[in-house]
Amino acid sequence: KQEVTQIPAALSVPEGENLVLNCSFTDSAIYNLQWFRQDPGKGLTSLLLIQSSQREQTSGRLNASLDKSSGRSTLYIAASQPGDSATYLCAVPPSNTGNQFYFGTGTSLTVIP
Amino acid sequence: KAGVTQTPRYLIKTRGQQVTLSCSPISGHRSVSWYQQTPGQGLQFLFEYFSETQRNKGNFPGRFSGRQFSNSRSEMNVSTLELGDSALYLCASSYSVPGTEAFFGQGTRLTVV
Repeated sequence: KQEVTQIPAALSVPEGENLVLNCSFTDSAIYNLQWFRQDPGKGLTSLLLIQSSQREQTSGRLNASLDKSSGRSTLYIAASQPGDSATYLCAVPPSNTGNQFYFGTGTSLTVIP
Repeated sequence: KAGVTQTPRYLIKTRGQQVTLSCSPISGHRSVSWYQQTPGQGLQFLFEYFSETQRNKGNFPGRFSGRQFSNSRSEMNVSTLELGDSALYLCASSYSVPGTEAFFGQGTRLTVV
């Protein structure tokens, strides 16, 4: 069974700082990896989707990388803002099933003004 | 286009009762997945429906069931509610091809008293 781990569990940074969130997974046979953010009590918002054939994906101040062979992905957030405060989750679908995701436990990010 | 719609947003039920939650996917999406989110267990996969058929199932007891209609709308049902069923229930929709980008609804917050 796929195991997804996110480090750190919580992170607090001052506004304007660049930061990196980490995600690792045990089974490298994945279709893709998706990063989400979740605000308290809300649903998940898709941030970035990296296909297994890609190494990077960018959207605005966000950049996600994927290294399948080592079972790792990172989410880089540039020039952090208080509005970035949320929980960030990575998710991977197994390669031999439908649209079922294994989720990490998330990183709770607080950006201090 | 409209996002994933979950109804109701909040529910309070008594132990032993049953409950039905609804999820309307994004137009054109035929895969609907359901997840349970609790503080202790994180996000756990319940089941996935595609073309009115259950394609994948997580490790939950038979009290949890679901179905999908011809218009791709999905419902999940929990019978004989237990206190431990209190959670945020999220549904995700995506295209039929495994591993495509998933979009989540805002969730239904179920409280069992």
